[in-house]
Amino acid sequence: DTGVSQDPRHKITKRGQNVTFRCDPISEHNRLYWYRQTLGQGPEFLTYFQNEAQLEKSRLLSDRFSAERPKGSFSTLEIQRTEQGDSAMYLCASSSELYEQYFGPGTRLTVT
Amino acid sequence: KQEVTQIPAALSVPEGENLVLNCSFTDSAIYNLQWFRQDPGKGLTSLLLIQSSQREQTSGRLNASLDKSSGRSTLYIAASQPGDSATYLCAVTAGGFKTIFGAGTRLFVKA
Repeated sequence: DTGVSQDPRHKITKRGQNVTFRCDPISEHNRLYWYRQTLGQGPEFLTYFQNEAQLEKSRLLSDRFSAERPKGSFSTLEIQRTEQGDSAMYLCASSSELYEQYFGPGTRLTVT
Repeated sequence: KQEVTQIPAALSVPEGENLVLNCSFTDSAIYNLQWFRQDPGKGLTSLLLIQSSQREQTSGRLNASLDKSSGRSTLYIAASQPGDSATYLCAVTAGGFKTIFGAGTRLFVKA
């Protein structure tokens, strides 16, 4: 399967703990996006990478959130000192120069 | 600030009916508009992508149109089937590659 993959699919953590999610894009795609989605809402843009450069970052992304894409391949999203409000589905997407975004299955985070 | 609105929020139709989903956006300076479907608890599946220079795109029973000047797009689904039941989302991307989604239209097709 050459689609976008995300790991883990589910994560349950206690408030105050740090969590890290991984996204592996489609191999020939140089663009990568992270989103957050809560129940009944559309995905909310978090950040965008072109190759290894983080070119766009939402103001919604507080200092507790950080994303990296070393070597322009996979990406990680880390949330430090998790809060209950961070509970959501975290989605990753990738695209080529044609900009059609392909999404992974998401990581569902539950903060207790 | 770009805002994307989808109407209706929910729709229930009998199988076989043709239907139209609407998407409106406030800033016409977009790079492209993409329609997705999302099944409960799953990721998004791309349906159609319309570049800013295009007026419409078709794939099978789906047809999407784009009118940038009026800030509107429609997704037309012909001969709906129960398997079409899902949430349909539209998303617009501007030059900074920040993509804004609508809240979606939840579609239920009754057999």
